[in-house]
Amino acid sequence: QVHLQESGPGLVKPSETLSLTCTVSGGSISNYHWSWIRQPAGKGLEWIGRISATGGTTYNPSFESRVTMSLDTSNHQLSLKLSSVTAADSAVYYCSRGVPGTGAAFYYGMDVWGQGTTVVVSS
Amino acid sequence: DIQMTQSPSTLSASVGDRVIITCRASQSCSYWLAWYQQKPGKAPNLLIYKASNLESGVPSRFSGSGSGTEFTLTISSLQPDDFATYYCQQYYSYPLTFGGGTKVEIK
Repeated sequence: QVHLQESGPGLVKPSETLSLTCTVSGGSISNYHWSWIRQPAGKGLEWIGRISATGGTTYNPSFESRVTMSLDTSNHQLSLKLSSVTAADSAVYYCSRGVPGTGAAFYYGMDVWGQGTTVVVSS
Repeated sequence: DIQMTQSPSTLSASVGDRVIITCRASQSCSYWLAWYQQKPGKAPNLLIYKASNLESGVPSRFSGSGSGTEFTLTISSLQPDDFATYYCQQYYSYPLTFGGGTKVEIK
């Protein structure tokens, strides 16, 4: 049973860079797309971007100038970096897994999610 | 970007009710649509993929239909465990986008 676990600082200062890690256990990183999604308190879900098992990235244009995703296959970890954060970046951040699609970005949608980690941007 | 609009945003219902949630896309996403259930403090959970396919382990009272720009999620007989927020998501094209959510509350 694959399990995803997000980790990182719960508090980040404005203008600094938010850095999160997602550790994948119980399954392979290969052959999947790995996404980051966030959810501000009391609000809906927002897709930040995805990284493929080979390291290719696709970012939401809303974040493209500030986001970097990377993959450490040897340690079964994904990472998210979001620069120049403001209070609007305070949210629960999730990592998730999806199967690459043919004719679409994904095949099933996102079938496995981490529990999420809360990040507050405040001085 | 494909904009996803869900209705209603809040729904009050009783145990045993049939519940229908609608999701509309601003342009066609074919059948590349998923539905998720989210409970407070938890991650979303995949219920339906490719518009009408039930994810393994999801009760059969959940069903999905639609294609193109109009989709529905139906709960045939609402159970106590089903009070939650539901989101649709198109995964046809980037950026992936979610509907605003439908909160199903106890009447």
